[in-house]
Amino acid sequence: DGGITQSPKYLFRKEGQNVTLSCEQNLNHDAMYWYRQDPGQGLRLIYYSQIVNDFQKGDIAEGYSVSREKKESFPLTVTSAQKNPTAFYLCASSMGDAGETQYFGPGTRLLVL
Amino acid sequence: AQSVTQPDIHITVSEGASLELRCNYSYGATPYLFWYVQSPGQGLQLLLKYFSGDTLVQGIKGFEAEFKRSQSSFNLRKPSVHWSDAAEYFCGADRGSTLGRLYFGRGTQLTVWP
Repeated sequence: DGGITQSPKYLFRKEGQNVTLSCEQNLNHDAMYWYRQDPGQGLRLIYYSQIVNDFQKGDIAEGYSVSREKKESFPLTVTSAQKNPTAFYLCASSMGDAGETQYFGPGTRLLVL
Repeated sequence: AQSVTQPDIHITVSEGASLELRCNYSYGATPYLFWYVQSPGQGLQLLLKYFSGDTLVQGIKGFEAEFKRSQSSFNLRKPSVHWSDAAEYFCGADRGSTLGRLYFGRGTQLTVWP
């Protein structure tokens, strides 16, 4: 089955620690996206990538980093600089052109210990 | 500023009643418009989308949405709500750039009374 997988489902971060969230897709999509979801705030774009080895900052990129070494993978690192990382993180992918549907993964919930 | 507005944070309806969820956008040109649904702790699932042409769009699960250019609106409707429709609903807009970025509203939480 084609789709987007995110792992882990739950992730715990200690203070000062960097953690990496995984996102993999087998839809042969060019574009991938990371969103952060907080209650009552909808989805806010963190980073997006239109092509391998290229990515752009979204609206709330501070404290996050990404890489796009393979078309199928777009991992997100939450660094220690992100002071309020507790949230639900969603990865999505699309063909990348205007108007194309974005398909979402099941999400990762990050909690701070 | 570009924005998508969902005026209703929370809506409660009885099972079998009709439903309308509101969405407004503030872009100069007509964007591509989407409605997604999210069950608790899950990702988003596409209900329907509007590109151009017929202003009434049919989606999955018995949902439809009507695009009204004069009101900059894209409201989601369902004639008869089922208990399983309880979820959060998000309206999104793609302003048509080559980047494929989606801008989302803050969501409307739907509660269905039995």
